[in-house]
Formats: sequence, C-alpha cells, structure tokens
Amino acid sequence: NAGVTQTPKFQVLKTGQSMTLQCAQDMNHNSMYWYRQDPGMGLRLIYYSASEGTTDKGEVPNGYNVSRLNKREFSLRLESAAPSQTSVYFCASSGIASGVGEQFFGPGTRLTVL
Amino acid sequence: GENVEQHPSTLSVQEGDSAVIKCTYSDSASNYFPWYKQELGKGPQLIIDIRSNVGEKKDQRIAVTLNKTAKHFSLHITETQPEDSAVYFCAASLLGNAGKSTFGDGTTLTVKP
Repeated sequence: NAGVTQTPKFQVLKTGQSMTLQCAQDMNHNSMYWYRQDPGMGLRLIYYSASEGTTDKGEVPNGYNVSRLNKREFSLRLESAAPSQTSVYFCASSGIASGVGEQFFGPGTRLTVL
Repeated sequence: GENVEQHPSTLSVQEGDSAVIKCTYSDSASNYFPWYKQELGKGPQLIIDIRSNVGEKKDQRIAVTLNKTAKHFSLHITETQPEDSAVYFCAASLLGNAGKSTFGDGTTLTVKP
C-alpha cells in the first residue's frame, strides 16, 4: 500500500497563476482533508470531505476550491495564487465513517508563490 | 470553536532524559486526543492517541495522560533517543465529526547525544 500520495512535491507559481494539487489514498478511507502548514502555526484545515460526494469548509478556505473526484481522490485548486498562499500543503485521510480517528498524512507539497 | 494551546514550542533534552509536552483545549465536547510526530520533510504520523473515557495510555517509552476536568493532556517520552528529535503536534477532535479536529502549534524536540 502506498498510503496517501500527493503530487507535485514542489511547485513555484507567480501571483495570479492557477494550479491543482492532487491527492490519492489507497486505504479505502471515507474521509479526506487538506491542511496547510505555516512556520509556528501548526496545521490548519482548509477543506475536508467527510465522505464521497460531500465537501465542507474548514478553518481557512478562502482562495481555495476542492473536488472529491471519487473515494480515492481529493484535489485542491488555487484559482489565482497569492503570496499569502506560500505554504506546505498536506492531504490526509481517515477511516472512521464520517468521523475523525487516526489521520494518515501524505508527504506534502511545498508551494511558493512569487 | 476549539482552541488548542501547546507548550513548550521548543524543548531540548539530553539523551536518556525524559521529555514532557503539554496541551490544553477549550471545547469540553472534544473526545479524541492524538499526538503526531513529524520528521523533517515528511508528513505527520500518529504515535499515540487517547479517548476521553481513558485517563492514561502507554506504549513502550511513550505515554499520554488526560485530565478532562482541567481540559489538558500531556505527552511523556522516557529514555529519549536522538531519533526522537522531531516536531510533535497534539490535536483535539470530536469523533464522528470529520471537521472537528484542531491542532496545536507544535513542539520541536531536540535530543542531544
């Protein structure tokens, strides 16, 4: 099992460009999450999907959109990137139906917006 | 919403000593408290967790204690080793609600050989 995979690993964007971060899990988990991690600020929830077909806003959703493509895949889109979105982005999944137990994290995407 | 405070932000210990990291939470409804370890360049990984119906849990050199009344929980690492050096995050969650998981800001633990 690969667990949670994320692509790309690194990305540099110019202000105003768009991009999509991809995430996939092979553990048959119902719930998936997108977090951002900034220095000294821990992990902040951007969006989550409690189950296939549903998505909800987290703590910091502004400037982002998500798509739960199927049970395995959950993508995060930046429509018009801003320097404030420079961060490390982590995707995670959990297996308790519609809930949060242990979360399994991907390796992260390091995004720089110039 | 839930607010989680984690202390200290950095901790340096000698190999073989113990390390303690503390977290407080604000929402008395939270009932699941995991601890994650994040090594450099990697995603966080669960090392131990505790549910609100348990006061203490131990796994080899790692233990977690929970005081529901005071709304705080702690991570204890005994006989520290250099490979314990990492960033540790606590979290407070509500089982059954995928959006109710709040993380602390992290503690950078350095174990000196």
